[in-house]
Amino acid sequence: DTGVSQDPRHKITKRGQNVTFRCDPISEHNRLYWYRQTLGQGPEFLTYFQNEAQLEKSRLLSDRFSAERPKGSFSTLEIQRTEQGDSAMYLCASSPLDSYEQYFGPGTRLTVT
Amino acid sequence: KNEVEQSPQNLTAQEGEFITINCSYSVGISALHWLQQHPGGGIVSLFMLSSGKKKHGRLIATINIQEKHSSLHITASHPRDSAVYICAGDSNFGNEKLTFGTGTRLTIIP
Repeated sequence: DTGVSQDPRHKITKRGQNVTFRCDPISEHNRLYWYRQTLGQGPEFLTYFQNEAQLEKSRLLSDRFSAERPKGSFSTLEIQRTEQGDSAMYLCASSPLDSYEQYFGPGTRLTVT
Repeated sequence: KNEVEQSPQNLTAQEGEFITINCSYSVGISALHWLQQHPGGGIVSLFMLSSGKKKHGRLIATINIQEKHSSLHITASHPRDSAVYICAGDSNFGNEKLTFGTGTRLTIIP
């Protein structure tokens, strides 16, 4: 399967713990996006990479959140000192430079207890 | 007021009915996306359009740029069409980040 993959698919953590999620985009897709979706809502933009450069961050991304894409391939999203409000589905998408179409991964569902 | 709004929020119909989901947007966009999300979260891109009309099987998407409005139609609906349908506007500022509507939950009853 050469689609976008995310790991883990589910994560349950206690409030105050740190968590890290990984996204592997489709090979050679330059653009990578992280979105967050809470129950009953549409996804919201978190951050965007073009190759290894993080070009935009949403105001939703507090200083407890950090994202990297060190070699322009996979990306990680880390949440430090998790709060119950961080419980959501975290979606990753990738797209090539010559197309607006975005390909989504299956998401990582985070539950903070 | 959300930048991308959908209606209805929920829609239940009998198998075989013609379905219409509407999307209005207030932001400048390069393209309008229609996405399908099944329980469990996976999102599949159905259409991406910047003008006119596109058709794929029983699905048809239209967009009116002047009115900033798009519609998704499903002909001969089937229970397997039951899902959440989301429209999203593609930023025209070069990063193509998506601004999503809240989704329409469609349930097709056999």
